[in-house]
Amino acid sequence: AQKITQTQPGMFVQEKEAVTLDCTYDTSDPSYGLFWYKQPSSGEMIFLIYQGSYDQQNATEGRYSLNFQKARKSANLVISASQLGDSAMYFCVANFGNEKLTFGTGTRLTIIP
Amino acid sequence: NAGVTQTPKFQVLKTGQSMTLQCAQDMNHEYMSWYRQDPGMGLRLIHYSVGAGITDQGEVPNGYNVSRSTTEDFPLRLLSAAPSQTSVYFCASSPLRGSVETQYFGPGTRLLVL
Repeated sequence: AQKITQTQPGMFVQEKEAVTLDCTYDTSDPSYGLFWYKQPSSGEMIFLIYQGSYDQQNATEGRYSLNFQKARKSANLVISASQLGDSAMYFCVANFGNEKLTFGTGTRLTIIP
Repeated sequence: NAGVTQTPKFQVLKTGQSMTLQCAQDMNHEYMSWYRQDPGMGLRLIHYSVGAGITDQGEVPNGYNVSRSTTEDFPLRLLSAAPSQTSVYFCASSPLRGSVETQYFGPGTRLLVL
């Protein structure tokens, strides 16, 4: 079955440190897309970064980078130089090519001043 | 360009009442979908549409109806609300059918069923 697994329910990180949020996925399809979304306490879903299964290089967007290891089926999100505003729920999400998004259970990140 | 809009932002219903959650997008996206998010969980797909006149069920469709008469609008109807439908509802859209494109989310509707 196609699924997304996030094994870290919560993380506490000191401000300005880098943080890695783990995500693994399971699919036998060759074509898929992987996303990370941020959900702050206000509730909206904010798109952060996207990685296609055929992309040769890891995606980067400002302070966000996606550590894509295809053979291990992992797509970890790395946030460099964390800020207080990074405190939020983070979801790893996949589109397995069937027009439906599959969500992980999320990781609640808290940045400590 | 307003993106994806949802109304209302918050609604309280009594068990058995009906209502329609509105969703509209002005990006000419073919694909639209409805998700629900329960406390401490990720989003689960309720219904989706790949174009006007075409809808299909997602993971948790029971208790909900949808229609897609135009490209822009994708309303979600609760025919007889139940407390189990208390949740936050998100509408999303994306530009291409069958692609792995990023989906754009509306701000959400918080629904409380008493």
